[in-house]
Amino acid sequence: QKEVEQNSGPLSVPEGAIASLNCTYSDRGSQSFFWYRQYSGKSPELIMFIYSNGDKEDGRFTAQLNKASQYVSLLIRDSQPSDSATYLCAASGGSYIPTFGRGTSLIVHP
Amino acid sequence: DGGITQSPKYLFRKEGQNVTLSCEQNLNHDAMYWYRQDPGQGLRLIYYSQIVNDFQKGDIAEGYSVSREKKESFPLTVTSAQKNPTAFYLCASSDRGLTDTQYFGPGTRLTVL
Repeated sequence: QKEVEQNSGPLSVPEGAIASLNCTYSDRGSQSFFWYRQYSGKSPELIMFIYSNGDKEDGRFTAQLNKASQYVSLLIRDSQPSDSATYLCAASGGSYIPTFGRGTSLIVHP
Repeated sequence: DGGITQSPKYLFRKEGQNVTLSCEQNLNHDAMYWYRQDPGQGLRLIYYSQIVNDFQKGDIAEGYSVSREKKESFPLTVTSAQKNPTAFYLCASSDRGLTDTQYFGPGTRLTVL
């Protein structure tokens, strides 16, 4: 059974701080990893994908992948109240059927 | 303007009725997917299709049916056999490329009266 685990939270950080969201996956064959943001009542929106070990940066967002530890993380720098949402992690092993985690709720308070 | 559209945004169903949720994409993606999301839950895969005229059951296919007659369309029917259909339904598509990235439509919220 392929699993993607995330702490459900909520993770609460002050405005301007770095938010760190973590995700572990069980399938060593996973090749691509995704972070989605989902606002309440809305559909998931892709933030980033990563498929190579190391860091990938896009604006205030940095995805980190460690395949040896089967660990993916998302860092959000200079967190804003508008970043308050649920963040979904997903892993795909090339079968085109990704496995999603249940999501981590992030609250950025002023 | 490329994207995925779902309709209706809200849908109400009476007990014993079949209802059909629409999903259309103009991204020229081969693969399309239907997910169900319940409050506080993750995404659960209902059906997926990787090519026209072919589709496969996901983890929770019972009480649902789909068709894939055109590349751009993947409608989902919620039948009366689905005992607890109230949920948020999400359609997604992917290009099955290197990154296999899925993009989601805006969703349909189905409520059983």
